[in-house]
Amino acid sequence: GDSVTQTEGQVALSEEDFLTIHCNYSASGYPALFWYVQYPGEGPQFLFRASRDKEKGSSRGFEATYNKEATSFHLQKASVQESDSAVYYCALNYGGSGNKLIFGTGTLLSVKP
Amino acid sequence: NSKVIQTPRYLVKGQGQKAKMRCIPEKGHPVVFWYQQNKNNEFKFLINFQNQEVLQQIDMTEKRFSAECPSNSPCSLEIQSSEAGDSALYLCASSLTGNTLYFGEGSRLIVV
Repeated sequence: GDSVTQTEGQVALSEEDFLTIHCNYSASGYPALFWYVQYPGEGPQFLFRASRDKEKGSSRGFEATYNKEATSFHLQKASVQESDSAVYYCALNYGGSGNKLIFGTGTLLSVKP
Repeated sequence: NSKVIQTPRYLVKGQGQKAKMRCIPEKGHPVVFWYQQNKNNEFKFLINFQNQEVLQQIDMTEKRFSAECPSNSPCSLEIQSSEAGDSALYLCASSLTGNTLYFGEGSRLIVV
């Protein structure tokens, strides 16, 4: 079945560091790709999505580019802040009301001031 | 801030007790999903609806879990007889088309 792999379980950075969280997917078709962020005690918040090869999604300084050849959708941010500390999830779906969202295992980002 | 409203935020139940959670989807969103997130942050799809109709549900849901999304009332997820393994964060999400899901803050169930 379809799946999403996030390489890093945890990432520890200092403020103003550059962030990369790796996301690779395995899919039988051509899915839409998503990034969600979850703060402690809250539900996942939608960050952004991309639906086509080479499309870039972005929000709040975070960005990722859909790479169909590499089956990747890596999350990046040029300069992280302490407030970015959270768990980040990569996910995919095929859209439509009957198609569930498939999540990766999540990456805990900790940013020191 | 989440526009999907879930209540209660926390519930503590004894084994064998019923546990009921409610969800008000974002206004105008006909598609509703329920997920279970365990302590390892893994997400398990439970059931989804379009308007009042069940689209998909997993086997576990069919046996001890029941859910509905009646018109003009909150959606609900009920566990008929809680087990220790049901302790988790239950997340409701709504969507306009099923493409992008917007989650509520969740209902955390602790089964003692």
